[in-house]
Amino acid sequence: AQKITQTQPGMFVQEKEAVTLDCTYDTSDPSYGLFWYKQPSSGEMIFLIYQGSYDQQNATEGRYSLNFQKARKSANLVISASQLGDSAMYFCAMRERNFGNEKLTFGTGTRLTIIP
Amino acid sequence: ETGVTQSPTHLIKTRGQQVTLRCSSQSGHNTVSWYQQALGQGPQFIFQYYREEENGRGNFPPRFSGLQFPNYSSELNVNALELDDSALYLCASSLASRGGGYGYTFGSGTRLTVV
Repeated sequence: AQKITQTQPGMFVQEKEAVTLDCTYDTSDPSYGLFWYKQPSSGEMIFLIYQGSYDQQNATEGRYSLNFQKARKSANLVISASQLGDSAMYFCAMRERNFGNEKLTFGTGTRLTIIP
Repeated sequence: ETGVTQSPTHLIKTRGQQVTLRCSSQSGHNTVSWYQQALGQGPQFIFQYYREEENGRGNFPPRFSGLQFPNYSSELNVNALELDDSALYLCASSLASRGGGYGYTFGSGTRLTVV
């Protein structure tokens, strides 16, 4: 069974500082994908960044980067130069493929609050 | 390119009733997945529909059922509602073949309250 662990229920960060959100995962599949989503109070899951298990380089998308440490089964999200609009819930998720179908398994999330 | 649209946005039902939630997938996507997100938790996979057939199911009882239509839109039906069914229900569309794929677009969800 797959599992995603996010150990930080909440974080407070000063505006313009960088922030790292932790995510560890557990899987025996050699092929998997890791996602980070942002969920504002409106409820929509907004895709931030994706890392495939075979990708050699860490993924980056604008101010977002994923610190992928495969041996440690860690996929931390780094947000550079945080902004007030970054305040939201953040979820790490892993894609599981099984007999032609697939699903996402989510962690419990981290609530990020940016302080002016 | 349109995103994923879910309706209604909010719903209040009485225990024992039945409810239908609707989802219009993003243009070009052929797969729809449904997730239940209880308060303070991460989303949990309910099931996925591909080519109008159920293509994977999570740990949810049979009273949770679904449909996918030829235009790839989808419905989630829940019978005999229980108080614990109160949650945000998220729909996600993607483009996938039987071999799987990635790139999910989520809707804003339907917040269901069972009283």
